[in-house]
Amino acid sequence: GQQLNQSPQSMFIQEGEDVSMNCTSSSIFNTWLWYKQEPGEGPVLLIALYKAGELTSNGRLTAQFGITRKDSFLNISASIPSDVGIYFCAGSAGAGSYQLTFGKGTKLSVIP
Amino acid sequence: GAVVSQHPSWVICKSGTSVKIECRSLDFQATTMFWYRQFPKQSLMLMATSNEGSKATYEQGVEKDKFLINHASLTLSTLTVTSAHPEDSSFYICSSAPGHQQETQYFGPGTRLLVL
Repeated sequence: GQQLNQSPQSMFIQEGEDVSMNCTSSSIFNTWLWYKQEPGEGPVLLIALYKAGELTSNGRLTAQFGITRKDSFLNISASIPSDVGIYFCAGSAGAGSYQLTFGKGTKLSVIP
Repeated sequence: GAVVSQHPSWVICKSGTSVKIECRSLDFQATTMFWYRQFPKQSLMLMATSNEGSKATYEQGVEKDKFLINHASLTLSTLTVTSAHPEDSSFYICSSAPGHQQETQYFGPGTRLLVL
């Protein structure tokens, strides 16, 4: 089946630093989604990418859909304490199947 | 927009009882809803895909007679954990995909189930 490799698994950064995380897939996806999950909550959609090569921003967050359609990255600029959480990438192959394949998550800790 | 609610947010029940969890899409219609289970420090595990007006499609290893799913309307899907046992204790999360954007799932806040 499809697999997503998400890295890094965890990050400890200083407040104000930029953060980068990425996901790679063994197969092609038609949609890439990035979610943030805080303890005891459901994942919240941050950015959705629908086209290969697409670069989309949401405030301090920027994500790109890789040209090969097998990878995506998420950047967070000027991190703040409330960025703490687990970030998940997810991909959908589309074509009538809208199930998502999830990465294992990147746990972000921000040191004030 | 794209708000999904779940009820209850947490539930404690005795072993052997059944628990129903509701998932509602509040501001859009969803022909498809998804039910996930999440164990501590792990990613989301898809349990089943719920389609309005038809039977749910369960993932391999998920007992359909234990996890009953009903998707009676375009805004409501329910998951019933029947004869719950302590090993069913988990965080259950639903998601909903708008009909015009079915590749994008919006998640509910989750339901924490503890079976004693």
